[in-house]
Amino acid sequence: DAGVIQSPRHEVTEMGQEVTLRCKPISGHDYLFWYRQTMMRGLELLIYFNNNVPIDDSGMPEDRFSAKMPNASFSTLKIQPSEPRDSAVYFCASSLGGHEQFFGPGTRLTVL
Amino acid sequence: SQQGEEDPQALSIQEGENATMNCSYKTSINNLQWYRQNSGRGLVHLILIRSNEREKHSGRLRVTLDTSKKSSSLLITASRAADTASYFCATDVASTGANNLFFGTGTRLTVIP
Repeated sequence: DAGVIQSPRHEVTEMGQEVTLRCKPISGHDYLFWYRQTMMRGLELLIYFNNNVPIDDSGMPEDRFSAKMPNASFSTLKIQPSEPRDSAVYFCASSLGGHEQFFGPGTRLTVL
Repeated sequence: SQQGEEDPQALSIQEGENATMNCSYKTSINNLQWYRQNSGRGLVHLILIRSNEREKHSGRLRVTLDTSKKSSSLLITASRAADTASYFCATDVASTGANNLFFGTGTRLTVIP
């Protein structure tokens, strides 16, 4: 298995632009998690899905952030409009049964 | 916050020495997990210990859990330069009924060849 796949690996954009991050979980996994990692705040859970249904989005910082999982093999995290404080590494992780999580390589987002 | 906290924040040792990292948490848990993160990479799961277990081994890793003190430790024996990474504990909190993990702030381990 290729593991969790994320794209793009790096994204540089200007303030106000829309950013879409993509994730392909490991085939057969029923949980998908989106995290944000910064030096100041560490690793924060943004939202997670179970069987494509959002379960807990309390970590989503504000309405500018949205996440979808249209099918079992694809999820997106969208930021619109983006702001400099959104600069971080965004990780997607998947798991089977919600225990051990497998992380993707992350997307390093820089908002100028 | 339900996050765990690792101690120390940074640890530097010589190759061959043992490394011990500690994690403290605040609420009852279903299980506690340890992850490793190499610079610029995603986290990798190392080991899971359930709330009814006290000790677990995996290769050069030894994890202990003391639920009365709400603490866990990760011991890496005979460390290698390749063990250089950040190590995080993550708690599966019992009260939430959910399956999300709360990650600590991490211990940055440097193993000097």
